[in-house]
Amino acid sequence: ETGVTQTPRHLVMGMTNKKSLKCEQHLGHNAMYWYKQSAKKPLELMFVYNFKEQTENNSVPSRFSPECPNSSHLFLHLHTLQPEDSALYLCASSPGGAVEETQYFGPGTRLLVL
Amino acid sequence: RKEVEQDPGPFNVPEGATVAFNCTYSNSASQSFFWYRQDCRKEPKLLMSVYSSGNEDGRFTAQLNRASQYISLLIRDSKLSDSATYLCVVNERNFNKFYFGSGTKLNVKP
Repeated sequence: ETGVTQTPRHLVMGMTNKKSLKCEQHLGHNAMYWYKQSAKKPLELMFVYNFKEQTENNSVPSRFSPECPNSSHLFLHLHTLQPEDSALYLCASSPGGAVEETQYFGPGTRLLVL
Repeated sequence: RKEVEQDPGPFNVPEGATVAFNCTYSNSASQSFFWYRQDCRKEPKLLMSVYSSGNEDGRFTAQLNRASQYISLLIRDSKLSDSATYLCVVNERNFNKFYFGSGTKLNVKP
């Protein structure tokens, strides 16, 4: 399935590095999301974009910086991360504004911060 | 208090068994409800939406009880391929906020 793609799939970075995660959706959706999934924890919503506008920032530390240049692309810029930020980062999209908002997920980026 | 609560399991059942999961949610204003399935080291995938009248998709039946604020998933005639973690998801539609439970792990044994 190629509805929502994410790159890279795996990333190892040091605490002083700067990296970016990329998400692209080919479903014609208008809403995009970043989630964090740590071991043994539920998915945590990080950011929501609707029609390129950020509508939700779930108290995410500023070392995570999202960017949504258009409805198809979503980035998560990372800098000075901590080891506890190691997790699976999932991107999702949904139609946006529909009565039943079903989300479709990308395969995720598995991040390890050393 | 968690927005969505699930029994983490694991539920270990033999092939052919019927198994049921429940999920409770805290926000009475929640609008949409879903069950997702997540395989090990993979992304969540939609299994089915949950409607007030209840709905069925093959061996899977989902029910919603708004008064008691819980959602259920029933799996009949379990297959080995049903082994996965099942995530309960609740949406506050107006704000595009989706709340995920921590998941219930199912192991179907031969």
